[in-house]
Amino acid sequence: EAEVAQSPRYKITEKSQAVAFWCDPISGHATLYWYRQILGQGPELLVQFQDESVVDDSQLPKDRFSAERLKGVDSTLKIQPAELGDSAMYLCASSSTGRLSLAKNIQYFGAGTRLSVL
Amino acid sequence: DQQVKQNSPSLSVQEGRISILNCDYTNSMFDYFLWYKKYPAEGPTFLISISSIKDKNEDGRFTVFLNKSAKHLSLHIVPSQPGDSAVYFCAASEPGRAGTALIFGKGTTLSVSS
Repeated sequence: EAEVAQSPRYKITEKSQAVAFWCDPISGHATLYWYRQILGQGPELLVQFQDESVVDDSQLPKDRFSAERLKGVDSTLKIQPAELGDSAMYLCASSSTGRLSLAKNIQYFGAGTRLSVL
Repeated sequence: DQQVKQNSPSLSVQEGRISILNCDYTNSMFDYFLWYKKYPAEGPTFLISISSIKDKNEDGRFTVFLNKSAKHLSLHIVPSQPGDSAVYFCAASEPGRAGTALIFGKGTTLSVSS
């Protein structure tokens, strides 16, 4: 069964360091999402890509976060510098079309990267 | 302000009984609602969804009910099984936004005891 791959699974870093997370969506899925989930909360969107283009990055803290999907396949999310408040689970999801429909746009999530900033 | 609310952080049910998980929303423009299940150390997994033009959708042991006038939906699991123990997230989608990202509630932890 096809899965969304994320790495690393866990990352511990010190404040002010740079960190990067990688996501490989399900093959053929044009839409890719990065969500952040703080403990006790639901996932919240950071950025959405349609192929290689950013569709929504209104909630991405652009002073320290950046995301790219250069060839419209895999994606990297970077934080520089990391802050204590960035400790969270970073989830990547993909779907087969940018338009939500019951049959076609279910979002499939990876296992996530748990970031701890010390 | 939270647009999707799951006011019960946890629910405990005995095996074989019905589990009812509730979700309220404030945005009348939401057009789809979805339920996701999340086990520890795994990503959320899609469970069931419903369009805003429907009031019920059923898939095996899982049924979602939508009451648009009350801006309320619920997920019924019958019969509950120990393997259903997980965190359940209610999510909604709004047409016309720049993207199609989902807006999630905080989740409800379901514990099913045998």
